[in-house]
Amino acid sequence: GESVGLHLPTLSVQEGDNSIINCAYSNSASDYFIWYKQESGKGPQFIIDIRSNMDKRQGQRVTVLLNKTVKHLSLQIAATQPGDSAVYFCAEILTGGGNKLTFGTGTQLKVEL
Amino acid sequence: EPEVTQTPSHQVTQMGQEVILRCVPISNHLYFYWYRQILGQKVEFLVSFYNNEISEKSEIFDDQFSVERPDGSNFTLKIRSTKLEDSAMYFCASSITPGLAGAKFGPGTRLTVL
Repeated sequence: GESVGLHLPTLSVQEGDNSIINCAYSNSASDYFIWYKQESGKGPQFIIDIRSNMDKRQGQRVTVLLNKTVKHLSLQIAATQPGDSAVYFCAEILTGGGNKLTFGTGTQLKVEL
Repeated sequence: EPEVTQTPSHQVTQMGQEVILRCVPISNHLYFYWYRQILGQKVEFLVSFYNNEISEKSEIFDDQFSVERPDGSNFTLKIRSTKLEDSAMYFCASSITPGLAGAKFGPGTRLTVL
């Protein structure tokens, strides 16, 4: 069935290292993907998005990679900082699915000093 | 930067009672959404709203739920008769264009049903 899932529920990295958070999706019809950051007690915060006609998109310290062949999405955070500690969700918008986002289960990123 | 606001931040209610969760979307946004997140679980879509009507709703959004934009600025979610399993964080979101790309989420209302 259709699903959006994350490989690792918890990721611990040292401050200053790069972080890579992975996500798998199963619906090849999805044409838009978004990464969200959720800090404790707050709503999801948009980080970066990517359309299905792109392989890579860069933002400030973040890069999203999309591999449509294996239906894999990743979020790379450069020089991880303590403020990056949060739960990260990938989400997909399904073609023909209206305005509905399907969220993955989330990965907890912990930045160690 | 404009933000989506939600009130109250925490609502405690007895099972069977009605609750209304309030959201003030960003003023020039046209598309509105409610999502919920049960503790420790993923964020789930409830409903999308545009032009004063529901665009899409999930199977969670049954007859106990309703949404309204009563005055052009507020966007409300009503649960008529709350159940224990309605306990969750409820997030409102709004966007200028259809789809959640670029949408802003509010901070959420924590609903606790006793």
